Amino acid sequence: SYVLTQPPSVSVAPGQTARITCGGNNIGSKSVHWYQQKPGQAPVLVVYDDSDRPSGIPERFSGSNSGNTATLTISRVEAGDEADYYCQVWDSSSDHPGVVFGGGTKLTVL
Amino acid sequence: EVQLVESGGGLVQPGGSLRLSCAASGFTFSSYEMNWVRQAPGKGLEWVSYISSSGSTIYYADSVKGRFTISRDNAKNSLYLQMNSLRAEDTAVYYCAREVGATGADAFDIWGQGTMVTVSS
Repeated sequence: SYVLTQPPSVSVAPGQTARITCGGNNIGSKSVHWYQQKPGQAPVLVVYDDSDRPSGIPERFSGSNSGNTATLTISRVEAGDEADYYCQVWDSSSDHPGVVFGGGTKLTVL
Repeated sequence: EVQLVESGGGLVQPGGSLRLSCAASGFTFSSYEMNWVRQAPGKGLEWVSYISSSGSTIYYADSVKGRFTISRDNAKNSLYLQMNSLRAEDTAVYYCAREVGATGADAFDIWGQGTMVTVSS
């Protein structure tokens, strides 16, 4: 089955840029979606189809995807961005398609 | 307001059954594919099951295949998850999530608040 690998944690100072990676075999050929989850809350979609933002998501959130790595970039990080972030793809490579989530990355704002 | 509200969670003994419901409002439910996603305490997100807008196509994660059944009633704007032969490792918050797009590899743009399922004797 398809595996997505994320770093367990990323730390960044306020105002700096955070980059959260999501590794997978030839992930560049898939559409990657990113979710933000704060403690006790449901996940929120922040980037879809590699680099598109849903309405209401700040332009500070952006995404890219190429080769074996997708990246969520958060510019001018704010304290309110502290959360867990998950990447997600659909895996249609087997005879039974399914959704795969990365293990999640905890973003800490120093 | 576009909204998903789960219900039906609770405490159940190993080997028992539970039926979760997800009530949709604020959008044309019958036009959207839907999913269940769960999250064990302190753990990451795990996809559970998918159902197409008509209910004709269904997928399950290997961890629940043969024990869980997803269904929907478009007339009642509702999604369901029948969970049988429950195990301790099924303990989690269960979310229903709306899938948006038409590519077959789409994102989940609306999530419910989740309902907690605890499997324990």
